[in-house]
Amino acid sequence: KQEVTQIPAALSVPEGENLVLNCSFTDSAIYNLQWFRQDPGKGLTSLLLIQSSQREQTSGRLNASLDKSSGRSTLYIAASQPGDSATYLCAVIEHNFNKFYFGSGTKLNVKP
Amino acid sequence: GAGVSQSPSNKVTEKGKDVELRCDPISGHTALYWYRQSLGQGLEFLIYFQGNSAPDKSGLPSDRFSAERTGGSVSTLTIQRTQQEDSAVYLCASSLAGLAGGSDTQYFGPGTRLTVL
Repeated sequence: KQEVTQIPAALSVPEGENLVLNCSFTDSAIYNLQWFRQDPGKGLTSLLLIQSSQREQTSGRLNASLDKSSGRSTLYIAASQPGDSATYLCAVIEHNFNKFYFGSGTKLNVKP
Repeated sequence: GAGVSQSPSNKVTEKGKDVELRCDPISGHTALYWYRQSLGQGLEFLIYFQGNSAPDKSGLPSDRFSAERTGGSVSTLTIQRTQQEDSAVYLCASSLAGLAGGSDTQYFGPGTRLTVL
C-alpha cells in the first residue's frame, strides 16, 4: 500500500523567507501528484498538479518538483507571506484513478 | 452561485440511520470527487466520477457507502446504517477536465459535517 509522508509536520518562519516542504511516497508507480492547501474555516484549495512524466510545475511564488524514481516531491514557496499560513497537503494518485493517498500535512506559520 | 455547493452543511444522526449527502458541482465540470476528513485520520479519498463513466468504488470504506452521479452533474453520497466512526467532514470537489486532462484544478465545496451519535 502506498504511504505518503510529509516533513516537517509544522514549520514557523519569518515573513520573506524562502521555504521548502517535503513529500515522500513509497510506490513510484503513480499517475500524478498534487499539492493542496487547507485553511481553517475556508476549506481546501488545489495548488499544483504534476503529471508523472513532468519534473515540475510553477504557479506564481509556488514551485513543485517531482522525482518519481526517488519517491519525492518538494513544494518551494518563495518570499513567504503571512497569507501563506495554512496546512499544505500532498497527494499521489494511482494510474487507475481509484485511489488518492494523502500525507498528513505540513502546518506552516509565516510570522509578520 | 459559481462554486461547488454541498448540503446539508451539518448533519447529526443516530447510529444505524441512513444519511444522504449532496454535492452540486460547478456547471460544466466533468469530474467530481468525494473525500472525507476525520479527526486524527487526515484526508481520505472516497470516489472519483469522470463524466458519465462508471466510477471505481474500491476506495469507499465499506459496502455501507455508495455514491451516484445523475446526469453527469449532481452527486449523492449515501451512508447506510451509520456508525460512530463515520463521523467526519465530507468534502466534494469538481474539476473541468478530470485527472486525465493534464493540469486540472479541483474546486472544493465547504463540506458536510456528519456527526453520528
